[in-house]
Amino acid sequence: EIVLTQSPGTLSLSPGERATLSCRASQSVSSNYLGWYQQKPGQAPRLLIYGASSRATGIPDRFSGSGSGTDFTLTISRLEPEDFAVYYCQQYGSSSLTFGGGTNVEIK
Amino acid sequence: QVQLQESGPGLVKSSETLSLTCTVSGDFISTYYWTWIRQPPGKGLEWIGYNYHSGRTNYNPSLKSRVTISVDTSKNQFSLKLTSVTAADTAVYYCARGQWLPVYDYWGQGTLVTVSS
Repeated sequence: EIVLTQSPGTLSLSPGERATLSCRASQSVSSNYLGWYQQKPGQAPRLLIYGASSRATGIPDRFSGSGSGTDFTLTISRLEPEDFAVYYCQQYGSSSLTFGGGTNVEIK
Repeated sequence: QVQLQESGPGLVKSSETLSLTCTVSGDFISTYYWTWIRQPPGKGLEWIGYNYHSGRTNYNPSLKSRVTISVDTSKNQFSLKLTSVTAADTAVYYCARGQWLPVYDYWGQGTLVTVSS
């Protein structure tokens, strides 16, 4: 099973700042099959990024994904008030899918 | 517009079987990856498993001995059965769709299932 480790656990930033979230895999993710989700309290997760760097339908271009192999990054170029949430990465390159533990992006 | 809606008991007794159904509208359930994911209160997401192409299944190894995910194409629904539940199975259960790969673009709103002793 591929273990995904997200860091930091909590990111305290102000609106307008840049957020950089990390997701590190215990082994290489096949075909860079790595997705990112945003989850707000009481809501289901929302897909932001798939294939490590492709934005899902309707996702603003301030969200971008990068990386390959074992190291992946989600960047939010300028935080909007609605971006404060928990973010999860998920790998689907192996038959046993796994999620990271999440990064909480909170208002500073 | 694709919509998914979970239904089933919100309370299950320990050692019994948890059963949930996801009703899909706006899409045909005969294709794609129809998946169950859960989230214990205050914790992260855990993939339970999926049924794809109306019959092939893949389950989380840690749950495999207790899980069945089945599809009913006549009702456009898919279901989760989890046997021998314990308090550790208390969670919000989500159903979700993966279109061509198991990365999830549509989710249900989630349903809380509490396992009581």
